[in-house]
Amino acid sequence: EADIYQTPRYLVIGTGKKITLECSQTMGHDKMYWYQQDPGMELHLIHYSYGVNSTEKGDLSSESTVSRIRTEHFPLTLESARPSHTSQYLCASSEGTNEKLFFGSGTQLSVL
Amino acid sequence: GENVEQHPSTLSVQEGDSAVIKCTYSDSASNYFPWYKQELGKRPQLIIDIRSNVGEKKDQRIAVTLNKTAKHFSLHITETQPEDSAVYFCAPFISNFGNEKLTFGTGTRLTIIP
Repeated sequence: EADIYQTPRYLVIGTGKKITLECSQTMGHDKMYWYQQDPGMELHLIHYSYGVNSTEKGDLSSESTVSRIRTEHFPLTLESARPSHTSQYLCASSEGTNEKLFFGSGTQLSVL
Repeated sequence: GENVEQHPSTLSVQEGDSAVIKCTYSDSASNYFPWYKQELGKRPQLIIDIRSNVGEKKDQRIAVTLNKTAKHFSLHITETQPEDSAVYFCAPFISNFGNEKLTFGTGTRLTIIP
């Protein structure tokens, strides 16, 4: 089934660890996004990509990095996690000429 | 950048009554106006959208109205049901060639009282 998948769903790690949040979509969408969201609060864009080898920083400053080597894959990496990174991270995608966003189920990250 | 405000931030409505959420934006270049619904613990999902050349759109119990002159659009939910309880986000979108930007509002928490 065409969808957008995020793993892991929940992650609890210690300070200083390197982590990668995975996001894959099987809809063939060109555009992909990472949002950070505290429970029930507004969504903050931290990274986006308009296609392979294209990555841009979003409105909210983030210490994370992203890569887009394949159309379907848009992983987010934190080199050294800190408690301030505790949040939910939502991946989304959209078709090239369509503004409608499709979201993944999110990764809830807790840094101790 | 685009300034987006939603009002109210929280709304409690008796089941069966109507709910209205308003979204105000600042950039007159915005030309696509969606509403997303996020239930507790779930992902945001598009529930209705409208383009700048249309003033109103309806889909069963939900509708969106647009006032481009005043730069605001509203979500209307009639005959509210418990499953309408969620956080709703507006996200006005600028779609000009070479300049695309979507900005989410701060969200409105809607609670339907049985």
